[in-house]
Amino acid sequence: LAKTTQPISMDSYEGQEVNITCSHNNIATNDYITWYQQFPSQGPRFIIQGYKTKVTNEVASLFIPADRKSSTLSLPRVSLSDTAVYYCLAQAGSYQLTFGKGTKLSVIP
Amino acid sequence: DGGITQSPKYLFRKEGQNVTLSCEQNLNHDAMYWYRQDPGQGLRLIYYSQIVNDFQKGDIAEGYSVSREKKESFPLTVTSAQKNPTAFYLCASSTSQVWGRDSNQPQHFGDGTRLSIL
Repeated sequence: LAKTTQPISMDSYEGQEVNITCSHNNIATNDYITWYQQFPSQGPRFIIQGYKTKVTNEVASLFIPADRKSSTLSLPRVSLSDTAVYYCLAQAGSYQLTFGKGTKLSVIP
Repeated sequence: DGGITQSPKYLFRKEGQNVTLSCEQNLNHDAMYWYRQDPGQGLRLIYYSQIVNDFQKGDIAEGYSVSREKKESFPLTVTSAQKNPTAFYLCASSTSQVWGRDSNQPQHFGDGTRLSIL
C-alpha cells in the first residue's frame, strides 16, 4: 500500500484558493489518488479521484504531474464551511484503504 | 434517501461488557467496512466484508467481532477483550473493488458512533 505524506495543518482566509499537496514517492503503476474530506464528528466524504494530469469536479481540482510522485488538491475560493480534515490516499482496487492523519484545514474569516 | 445509518450516536459501556454497534445501508453495496478513529488520528480498519456471509480482519481486529447475514447490515461487537474501546467508530460501504481495475470505488461513510467507557 502506497504511503502518503501531507502537511499536518494549513490556514487560509475566506475566498482564497487553497492547495494541499500530498507526496507519494512509492506509488504503484495502478494506484489512483483519492481525496476525502472529514468534518468533526462525521464520517469522511469522497471528494475527488484521479490517475494523472488534471481532474476537476464541482467541488475541487486534482493535479497530478507526470512522475506521479505527488499530487495537489485545489479548493477554489474556500469558505468557513471548508474547515475540515482532508485525507490523501494512493491505492488501487483495494478493500483496505489506508487513512493517514490527514491535513487539518482551518479557514479564517 | 440512500445512505448509511449508524446507531446509536453515543454509547456507553461498563467494564467487562460487550456492546454491539449497528450499521445499515440502503445503497445496495456489496462491500461494508468498520473503522476506528482516535482523537487527532486517521482511520484504522477493523473488519471488512466483500459479500454476504464473508468478512476479513483488518489492521486492528483483536477484541472485535462482526457478522454479515444480510447485505444491508454489518453489526460490530466490541467485546470485553478490547481493553481500550473508547473511540469514534465509523461504518462504510462501497460497490465491489475489482481486482486489476485501477480506480478505487469510493467508500460512503455513516456519521459514526462514539463509544465511551463508564
